Amino acid sequence: EAGVTQFPSHSVIEKGQTVTLRCDPISGHDNLYWYRRVMGKEIKFLLHFVKESKQDESGMPNNRFLAERTGGTYSTLKVQPAELEDSGVYFCASSQAGQNYEQYFGPGTRLTVT
Amino acid sequence: GEDVEQSLFLSVREGDSSVINCTYTDSSSTYLYWYKQEPGAGLQLLTYIFSNMDMKQDQRLTVLLNKKDKHLSLRIADTQTGDSAIYFCAESKKGTYKYIFGTGTRLKVLA
Repeated sequence: EAGVTQFPSHSVIEKGQTVTLRCDPISGHDNLYWYRRVMGKEIKFLLHFVKESKQDESGMPNNRFLAERTGGTYSTLKVQPAELEDSGVYFCASSQAGQNYEQYFGPGTRLTVT
Repeated sequence: GEDVEQSLFLSVREGDSSVINCTYTDSSSTYLYWYKQEPGAGLQLLTYIFSNMDMKQDQRLTVLLNKKDKHLSLRIADTQTGDSAIYFCAESKKGTYKYIFGTGTRLKVLA
């Protein structure tokens, strides 16, 4: 069974540009999560989807961040316009329906904003 | 409040035991987790413990939970060079799906 995959693995963009990150969860997992680790600090929760619906977006830093999960399969996280403080590693995770105690994480996308 | 703290670094010799510590502040935490991140890789779920348990053992890994002191530890027996990684402690609460992570402890195993 394939794990959670993320694309790209690394992205370098200039301040003010737009970047879209993609996450493919484990097949059949209804729950999908985005997390972010900035500058060696703790990993912070961004938001949680159940299928295509946003269940909790309390961790989204501001309205420059837009997450979608059309069709309830893969998800995208768009940052527009990117700022320097958005640099970090963006992790995606997924878990089975009704289960929060086994979240499986992807390898992350390292975003560098210059 | 929600806060999970870990020491940043730990260095041990190959063959010794490693103990990675974590403290948390939220007494309503339901599950506590240990994740491992090897260089260039994602987060690997190592083990988790339910808050009504005191201990969980899985091969070389032993998790101890002191709920009174809100202290969680991960002991790795017979530490190997392949155990070198960053170890993250995390907690979650019943009814929520978000995990609260610590800053991670970088374990370096010396040959």
